[in-house]
Amino acid sequence: GNSVTQTEGPVTLSEEAFLTINCTYTATGYPSLFWYVQYPGEGLQLLLKATKADDKGSNKGFEATYRKETTSFHLEKGSVQVSDSAVYFCALPGGTSYGKLTFGQGTILTVHP
Amino acid sequence: DADVTQTPRNRITKTGKRIMLECSQTKGHDRMYWYRQDPGLGLRLIYYSFDVKDINKGEISDGYSVSRQAQAKFSLSLESAIPNQTALYFCATSGGTVGNEQFFGPGTRLTVL
Repeated sequence: GNSVTQTEGPVTLSEEAFLTINCTYTATGYPSLFWYVQYPGEGLQLLLKATKADDKGSNKGFEATYRKETTSFHLEKGSVQVSDSAVYFCALPGGTSYGKLTFGQGTILTVHP
Repeated sequence: DADVTQTPRNRITKTGKRIMLECSQTKGHDRMYWYRQDPGLGLRLIYYSFDVKDINKGEISDGYSVSRQAQAKFSLSLESAIPNQTALYFCATSGGTVGNEQFFGPGTRLTVL
């Protein structure tokens, strides 16, 4: 089945720093790719997605580009804020089960003032 | 009101007790999922259901059972809880086509003593 590997955390940054969280995947074909975010005490929510190669997903200042050549979907933000502190998950369809998502292990991001 | 709700939000129980976690959704989705989250392991799929009559085991179904009482309700049971089932449990729904995002509930934090 499909699998995903992302930056091991935790990641600690100062406010206004540049953020990159790496995500690489193994998949059959060209599945949709997702970034989910989990704020403290909450469930996961979709941050952004890309449905085909070379697509760029963006939301709340975050961006990720679907790179089929490098099988990557790295998450970036030019200037992080304290409110971005959360756990970030890269995900893609499971491959063997229609509709199932396979998640990376999650990256904890802490942003200090 | 939240689209996906889970009850209870927190539960502490003892080894050997039977526990039921409930999930309800108002999104009208056919597909529902139960995941558990453990630190450093991301989310792992326990069970999923594509409609009321279609229930499937996920990666880690041992020790768990589920019931799809209606399109909107999907319950997870631990027949005889054990300490290594201490985790954060999430219910999710999706609209059904490959690549559709999943919508998550707020989670249930379960502690088994």
